[in-house]
Amino acid sequence: TQLLEQSPQFLSIQEGENLTVYCNSSSVFSSLQWYRQEPGEGPVLLVTVVTGGEVKKLKRLTFQFGDARKDSSLHITAAQPGDTGLYLCAGRRMDSSYKLIFGSGTRLLVRP
Amino acid sequence: GAGVSQSPRYKVAKRGQDVALRCDPISGHVSLFWYQQALGQGPEFLTYFQNEAQLDKSGLPSDRFFAERPEGSVSTLKIQRTQQEDSAVYLCASTARDRGNTIYFGEGSWLTVV
Repeated sequence: TQLLEQSPQFLSIQEGENLTVYCNSSSVFSSLQWYRQEPGEGPVLLVTVVTGGEVKKLKRLTFQFGDARKDSSLHITAAQPGDTGLYLCAGRRMDSSYKLIFGSGTRLLVRP
Repeated sequence: GAGVSQSPRYKVAKRGQDVALRCDPISGHVSLFWYQQALGQGPEFLTYFQNEAQLDKSGLPSDRFFAERPEGSVSTLKIQRTQQEDSAVYLCASTARDRGNTIYFGEGSWLTVV
């Protein structure tokens, strides 16, 4: 059983569409991160959120940390083919300062 | 080097064979992590080093898995008597500290046990 559940698992959309990926848990996290991983590569950090209710924007990507710090979302506006990849959320639990717990990932395909 | 370097990138092992996977972290990074990523899944924590000290090995699946970092820089993950369920990508990551610093992942070592 994954501690962090991501949905959807797969998403195939047309260029220009908007999408939201969700990351949910019953546990509280001290911080939550979003990564993007491309085939044959390691995950690359996109953003870290640490405060409940925090919203961060990175160009067309908007990240939100839930008020209770148990969930997060990633919203992409006007998706482009270059956004294609595996999106992973990862959290640090309150009892560990170093261990990252990853979700199972959302595989995004943006069709031209 | 500029990033975390792992070798070999690809390894095919016969069941029962021993394998050793190497990780060169970013120079000066104190913390080093190993994660295992099965096909279609997110990475799962294996073990954590701070300098040469292995502070957490709770994620190692069995006593066939062993990791070391004797001089506080390069690390090796060793898997003895490999089994098919060991097939996965093994990711190494490093960071300057364990909290608040960006974790940098290597490209991974892809292990296939046949």
